[in-house]
Order: sequence, then C-alpha cells, then structure tokens
Amino acid sequence: QKEVEQNSGPLSVPEGAIASLNCTYSDRGSQSFFWYRQYSGKSPELIMSIYSNGDKEDGRFTAQLNKASQYVSLLIRDSQPSDSATYLCAVIPRSGGYQKVTFGTGTKLQVIP
Amino acid sequence: DAGVIQSPRHEVTEMGQEVTLRCKPISGHNSLFWYRQTMMRGLELLIYFNNNVPIDDSGMPEDRFSAKMPNASFSTLKIQPSEPRDSAVYFCASSPLHRGLDGYTFGSGTRLTVV
Repeated sequence: QKEVEQNSGPLSVPEGAIASLNCTYSDRGSQSFFWYRQYSGKSPELIMSIYSNGDKEDGRFTAQLNKASQYVSLLIRDSQPSDSATYLCAVIPRSGGYQKVTFGTGTKLQVIP
Repeated sequence: DAGVIQSPRHEVTEMGQEVTLRCKPISGHNSLFWYRQTMMRGLELLIYFNNNVPIDDSGMPEDRFSAKMPNASFSTLKIQPSEPRDSAVYFCASSPLHRGLDGYTFGSGTRLTVV
C-alpha cells in the first residue's frame, strides 16, 4: 500500500463547477497535510495546509480532513481554466520527523471552458 | 529575493557520465531538500540538510547518488555513473528551520535526460 494515494485522473470538470480532489494516507498518526498545485513544467506551489479534522477554507479552496478515515480532500469552487494543473497531496507521517514529507503522485485536473 | 536557484535547467548526458546538479537556497533558510519527480513514482524526497548537515539520506536510491552542502548557500547532487532510469526532474527546496512544508520554496527544477 502506498503511503499517500491519489487518483491520477485526469479529472475533467466544466468551468464554474466544483472540482473535488481526494487523497488517502496509510499512517494513522500523521498530523500535517498539504495540497500543492503544479502547472506543467513548473515547480509545486503550496495551496493549503490543514492539521485538524474538519474544513478549512481559503477563497475558492476548501481542504477537508478526516483522520478517522485517513482521508483528505480539496474542493475548488467556481473552477476556472487557470485551475487546470496537477494537484499533489502531501503528508508528514508520524515517523521520520516533521521534515520528512511524503507526496502523492498527483491528480491532473482539467477545467473545460 | 531571487528564490531557490537551480542549475542547469536542462541536462542531457550519456549513460555512464557523471552529472552534477546545483542548488542555491534562499538566504537565511537553514534547511535544504533534494527531490526527484517521475511520472511513475511522483515526488520523492532524496535527502535533506539542516544547517549544512545531512539529516536523512534514506531516500537516496543508490550509492551512485551523493549530495553535499559545503556552505549555507550552495548544495550539489551528483550522480556517478548516470543511467537512463535516472531521467527525471530534480527539485531543490529550502525552508527556514522548524517551518516544515509551510515554509517551503521549491526551485524551478533540473530536467535530466540520460540517453
């Protein structure tokens, strides 16, 4: 079982719709969770971090964490073509210290105008 | 600040040759990370340094890979000898110590092709 799993996609949504990106992780003791966006040929950039169960909102983005189900998601409201990118889920497992990060392989999102 | 600077941006080399990738972290960032990204395996942490000292190199795939950080403003990742399966994008990232991913800044990456 991979430590961090994401559906590779592509996930296609029409412009203006809600895009839902999902991630599961294997280390039940993980405490820190992050979503990164990566445009083709570019480096990853941090969108959001979440540490507690529940929802965290930032503009059009909402991160959701459910530690009991070992599940973290990212919702993008009012999706725009500029949101088309690969979204990486990152987790800091309980073991290895706060700097040892495990990334998922990413979900490619396509927003159709 | 110019951000994390990596060089070269692209490298094409023949199998068996030595490859050296370079990274200049953001001034004042005490932690430096080397990652490799491939389609199959995603973004993998290879090694990281705190205050120029290697802390964890368990992600380095083989003895052919080595990394150094001789001072606070420079790090290298060397592959010797290189193999086609080393083809990937290599990212360097830096952050202030104790900030974790919240403080990360990634460089633009080096795309390595070994033929």
